[in-house]
Amino acid sequence: AQSVSQHNHHVILSEAASLELGCNYSYGGTVNLFWYVQYPGQHLQLLLKYFSGDPLVKGIKGFEAEFIKSKFSFNLRKPSVQWSDTAEYFCAVRGGSQGNLIFGKGTKLSVKP
Amino acid sequence: NAGVTQTPKFQVLKTGQSMTLQCAQDMNHEYMSWYRQDPGMGLRLIHYSVGAGITDQGEVPNGYNVSRSTTEDFPLRLLSAAPSQTSVYFCASRNPGAANYGYTFGSGTRLTVV
Repeated sequence: AQSVSQHNHHVILSEAASLELGCNYSYGGTVNLFWYVQYPGQHLQLLLKYFSGDPLVKGIKGFEAEFIKSKFSFNLRKPSVQWSDTAEYFCAVRGGSQGNLIFGKGTKLSVKP
Repeated sequence: NAGVTQTPKFQVLKTGQSMTLQCAQDMNHEYMSWYRQDPGMGLRLIHYSVGAGITDQGEVPNGYNVSRSTTEDFPLRLLSAAPSQTSVYFCASRNPGAANYGYTFGSGTRLTVV
């Protein structure tokens, strides 16, 4: 069965610090990978996605992620976080015949002004 | 506006009551799904449907029923609510024919069972 593991439950950073959130997945076939963000009280928004091609994917709001197939990883990065990045971040993998999205447990990011 | 509409936004139920969470999309998406979100657990798939008349179970289907009589609607039924079903529920749809397999999420229903 597919699964997604996010390494950090809660990350606390100061503004301007660099961010890296870990994500590993287990699935042997072709996968599509996603990072979603959920701001307090809101629904999920897509940050970025990887389907094929360049393993370094750029998303909205200055976020990027790197797909490393050999490590089954898809880590999210941002060079300099802002207070407005405070949110919960979910990594997800789409695989299998039905294409269901399987989510990680999420990482809460708190950015101190 | 095109998208996924969920109703109600908030609901409080007593243990044993039944209710239906509504989900409708106007994008002609064949695929629809229901997730529940619990603190520290991420989003877990309850049921999904790949088209009208076709439904299947996800990771946590117990206590929930679904049906898909039209492409637009995918209601989630709780026949006898339990406190363990207190959660935030999200409906999502997807167009399998789209090149980027874009998923669209509803704004959620926050359900409390007392």
